[in-house]
Amino acid sequence: NAGVTQTPKFQVLKTGQSMTLQCAQDMNHNSMYWYRQDPGMGLRLIYYSASEGTTDKGEVPNGYNVSRLNKREFSLRLESAAPSQTSVYFCACNRVRGTNQPQHFGDGTRLSIL
Amino acid sequence: EDQVTQSPEALRLQEGESSSLNCSYTVSGLRGLFWYRQDPGKGPEFLFTLYSAGEEKEKERLKATLTKKESFLHITAPKPEDSATYLCAVPRGQGGKLIFGQGTELSVKP
Repeated sequence: NAGVTQTPKFQVLKTGQSMTLQCAQDMNHNSMYWYRQDPGMGLRLIYYSASEGTTDKGEVPNGYNVSRLNKREFSLRLESAAPSQTSVYFCACNRVRGTNQPQHFGDGTRLSIL
Repeated sequence: EDQVTQSPEALRLQEGESSSLNCSYTVSGLRGLFWYRQDPGKGPEFLFTLYSAGEEKEKERLKATLTKKESFLHITAPKPEDSATYLCAVPRGQGGKLIFGQGTELSVKP
């Protein structure tokens, strides 16, 4: 089925370790996004990529880096994980940069930092 | 500051008991409002887009409406399978960025 695939689904890290979360979409969409979801905070945008070759900061970018590898893939990297980065991470995409296009989400990566 | 607020935070209904969820927003120049459903352990699933005040969209037991200040998600005769967290979101700025509300957790008991 067409959609957004995130790997891994679960991960436990120790403070200071690094990790890359992977996201791939087969919907042929141009824009891709990374969010984190925390209890009581809702979904917050970390980084986004309006099109292949471009990336921009969202609401909470500190401690993260991203790479738009090609049109299909958008990865999120934690260089030195901190307990405050324990969260559920969602990748999303939409067809064009326009704001009236709904975003479609993957099923998330549940990340725990000890 | 652009803001999206959902109420109530949690709602418990008996099967067949109709109700409404609210999403109020303060954004300049609304360019659409999205409703999503999120099941435990899953990502948000797109339900509706509303573009202008007065617009209504329906899907099965769900009906979404939009005014200039808020949106409602009406649930008619809900079933246990309607249990989920319902999120609303509005665009902000350029680049397709969205602001999400914190969601309403709906529980429907048989």
